[in-house]
Amino acid sequence: KAGVTQTPRYLIKTRGQQVTLSCSPISGHRSVSWYQQTPGQGLQFLFEYFSETQRNKGNFPGRFSGRQFSNSRSEMNVSTLELGDSALYLCASSGNFRPYEQYFGPGTRLTVT
Amino acid sequence: DQQVKQNSPSLSVQEGRISILNCDYTNSMFDYFLWYKKYPAEGPTFLISISSIKDKNEDGRFTVFLNKSAKHLSLHIVPSQPGDSAVYFCAATAGNTGKLIFGQGTTLQVKP
Repeated sequence: KAGVTQTPRYLIKTRGQQVTLSCSPISGHRSVSWYQQTPGQGLQFLFEYFSETQRNKGNFPGRFSGRQFSNSRSEMNVSTLELGDSALYLCASSGNFRPYEQYFGPGTRLTVT
Repeated sequence: DQQVKQNSPSLSVQEGRISILNCDYTNSMFDYFLWYKKYPAEGPTFLISISSIKDKNEDGRFTVFLNKSAKHLSLHIVPSQPGDSAVYFCAATAGNTGKLIFGQGTTLQVKP
C-alpha cells in the first residue's frame, strides 16, 4: 500500500496570508489526524477527522481549521498566518480497528515570513 | 501541563548493547501507548504499541514495558544498531481514538 502523502512539502508564506495543506491517507484508512511540530512545543495534536466529521480537537485557535472529504482525503487551513505558525505540519492516518496506531506522512514545512 | 514526559533528551549506547528509553505520564485515563522513531525531515515512523491491559509487548528487537502503578513505560531495543540512531517519541491516548499526546522526544545515538 502507498503511504500517507502530503502536499506541498515546502511552503513559504507571508504574515497575514492563509494557507491550505493537503493530505491523502493510506488506502482504506478513514481516520486522519493533524499535528504541528515546532522546536519549542514538540508534536502537538491539532484535530482528528473520521468519516468527514471532526472527532477530536486540540488546543489551537480558531484560525486553524480542517475538513475531510468523502474519499477520506483531508485538508487543513490556517488563516491570518503568524510568525509562530512556522512549523512542520504532519498528517497521520489510521484504520478503523486501531485508530490510535497512526501512520504519518512526510509533513509540510511551512515558513511564515 | 505536560501529560507525557521524556526526561532524558539524549542517550548514547554502543552497537550491540541494549538501549532503554523511558517515558512517564500523568493522565490515568490513558489506555494506549505508542513509540515512534523520527529521522530529520521525515514523519514519525510507528514502532510498537501497548494497551493498558498488558504490561509487555514485543516485536522483533523492540519491547515495550508498561508499569501502570508508576505511570511509566519504557522501550528496550536489543541489540542496538547504528541505524537505530534517531529521535524516539512516546505517545499516549485516552480511548480508542486518533488523538495522540506526545512526549518531547529522546535522541538516541548508537555508536559503532
